[in-house]
Amino acid sequence: EVQLVESGGGLVQPGGSLRLSCAASGFTFSSYWMSWVRQAPGKGLEWVANIKQDGYEKYYVDSVKGRFTISRDNAKNSVYLQMNSLRAEDTAVYYCARWLQLFHYFDYWGQGTLVTVSS
Amino acid sequence: SYELTQPPSVSVSPGQTASITCSGDKLGDKNACWYQQKPGQSPVLIIYQDNKRPSGIPERFSGSNSGNTATLTISGTQAMDEADYYCQAWDSRTAVFGTGTKVTVL
Repeated sequence: EVQLVESGGGLVQPGGSLRLSCAASGFTFSSYWMSWVRQAPGKGLEWVANIKQDGYEKYYVDSVKGRFTISRDNAKNSVYLQMNSLRAEDTAVYYCARWLQLFHYFDYWGQGTLVTVSS
Repeated sequence: SYELTQPPSVSVSPGQTASITCSGDKLGDKNACWYQQKPGQSPVLIIYQDNKRPSGIPERFSGSNSGNTATLTISGTQAMDEADYYCQAWDSRTAVFGTGTKVTVL
């Protein structure tokens, strides 16, 4: 059974940093692209970032470029999201998801972790 | 940037058919998919590659994609289908979600 478990969310002040983690199990992690998707309270889904199997190809939504960094550790079956220079508008539930690059869809999602940016 | 537009809400009576549209420039040239999200839960993939259903998704969910519009159809809608639905496509190295549609089963 595929499982994705996020952690690392919490309350952070504007301008601060936070690192999210996602532990994967139930599939060959190193064979799949991975992603982060977020959802602000009461709002729709917004894709944040994708990372290729080897970690060398990454894509980001424009609003986080230069502030967020996606990375992975295939030995630990984990993907991460380093978030710097956080803003109030980054407040959201952050989901880890498995990305099917060939046909462009997310087939499995984690339960999400809440990030709140507030003073 | 690429945009996908959905109606904010759709209402349907139990047992009837609900159709949700997703509009985007030349969307028919891309792979469209759909997610269902119930309150307090994570999204669930219900349609991929325009019209394919993952294992475990009921047959009453179907999809199509042509021209500028992808459509999700729920046949014989049940109370459990009340949820938010999002379309999604990939454009210029960016995953784009639709604006979302709240389906209410009256």
